[in-house]
Amino acid sequence: DTAVSQTPKYLVTQMGNDKSIKCEQNLGHDTMYWYKQDSKKFLKIMFSYNNKELIINETVPNRFSPKSPDKAHLNLHINSLELGDSAVYFCASRSGGAGDEQFFGPGTRLTVL
Amino acid sequence: AQSVTQPDIHITVSEGASLELRCNYSYGATPYLFWYVQSPGQGLQLLLKYFSGDTLVQGIKGFEAEFKRSQSSFNLRKPSVHWSDAAEYFCAVGGNTGTASKLTFGTGTRLQVTL
Repeated sequence: DTAVSQTPKYLVTQMGNDKSIKCEQNLGHDTMYWYKQDSKKFLKIMFSYNNKELIINETVPNRFSPKSPDKAHLNLHINSLELGDSAVYFCASRSGGAGDEQFFGPGTRLTVL
Repeated sequence: AQSVTQPDIHITVSEGASLELRCNYSYGATPYLFWYVQSPGQGLQLLLKYFSGDTLVQGIKGFEAEFKRSQSSFNLRKPSVHWSDAAEYFCAVGGNTGTASKLTFGTGTRLQVTL
């Protein structure tokens, strides 16, 4: 049973294309996140949703648009991909309180050529 | 603004030796502190966390960490390292701001274990 899953695991695409990454959690958590990990392993939050409502948006270019069709899913759509978007994108979920653990997905490695 | 500093980018220890990974945080109130481990090609796994109570917390895989408010530190320790501990270790700080709570991660420390 995978707690937090992401698809695809790898994504290679050309500059200017539009792509989506999907995330699903089967933990019944209310809060989900997207993080970006750059080539130096620095992990930075991008977005957070709570019960399908956007609650955190961290100065991310508006080419990135998260969508949460239900509280178990949080997708990330990226328009007009740029070289600098190449990174590993992690989805995570948390049950409720700030002290609770965030459970991370396996990551999606995006390479923009 | 909350922040985390992990001063050591890369640490090498011999198998069986003790380990301490440093973490300093900045947060205006009582912080929630976490240590995560990331094995190559994998997601992050929680090792341990602190948000109240005993300042020495025990985690999985034999790890422990000590919260020192006066030093704004939350260092991770293990008395005897195993080769399988080689990975990237991230310290993170969060706060009790309800659903808008977010984690801020340090830049990570890569642990290499020599046999």
